[in-house]
Amino acid sequence: GAVVSQHPSRVICKSGTSVKIECRSLDFQATTMFWYRQFPKKSLMLMATSNEGSKATYEQGVEKDKFLINHASLTLSTLTVTSAHPEDSSFYICSTAKSGTKNTEAFFGQGTRLTVV
Amino acid sequence: SQQGEEDPQALSIQEGENATMNCSYKTSINNLQWYRQNSGRGLVHLILIRSNEREKHSGRLRVTLDTSKKSSSLLITASRAADTASYFCATDAAGGGNKLTFGTGTQLKVEL
Repeated sequence: GAVVSQHPSRVICKSGTSVKIECRSLDFQATTMFWYRQFPKKSLMLMATSNEGSKATYEQGVEKDKFLINHASLTLSTLTVTSAHPEDSSFYICSTAKSGTKNTEAFFGQGTRLTVV
Repeated sequence: SQQGEEDPQALSIQEGENATMNCSYKTSINNLQWYRQNSGRGLVHLILIRSNEREKHSGRLRVTLDTSKKSSSLLITASRAADTASYFCATDAAGGGNKLTFGTGTQLKVEL
């Protein structure tokens, strides 16, 4: 069964509204989760590292005020796309790995297809 | 960009043939992982190879790793139409803490 659950799988929203995406680790505690973005027919690009109980670390070029990340518990991280615009339309996907481990596979959520109209 | 390169970008073969995809990366790594993605869906983990390993097998999959050349290859033997998907390599950089950098991907099409 799924180790990481991401919700919703698809969302269509109007331009200017905000959308929240949830990523839950089902089988283990995850002090760190990662958020990626994927444009059609492109690869995954890391957006930010979500740290439980502290601020997220954003990759260069990713606006932290645009993509709000909250990691309030050891099993849940949320990504909120604020004031969404059509160019934010993309596939967003989260991942995590067992905390304190190395050389272990990452587990990915099912992804969220965001369409901003 | 630290993103890895994969080649070919697209590969079309007949069912039963072997498919080979190559991945090059830029930094020292803890491990390299291969993932599969069906169109518009999440990622499926295929295989992980550690930096001190040179070859690994899993079913019809064979992965090699050459850290001196910073490259890896994924071989799918006896391909099936169901293998049609995009394949990505992803590196876990030394000291990166499970943060993955993905390659550009190879779109594989296996025709009947």
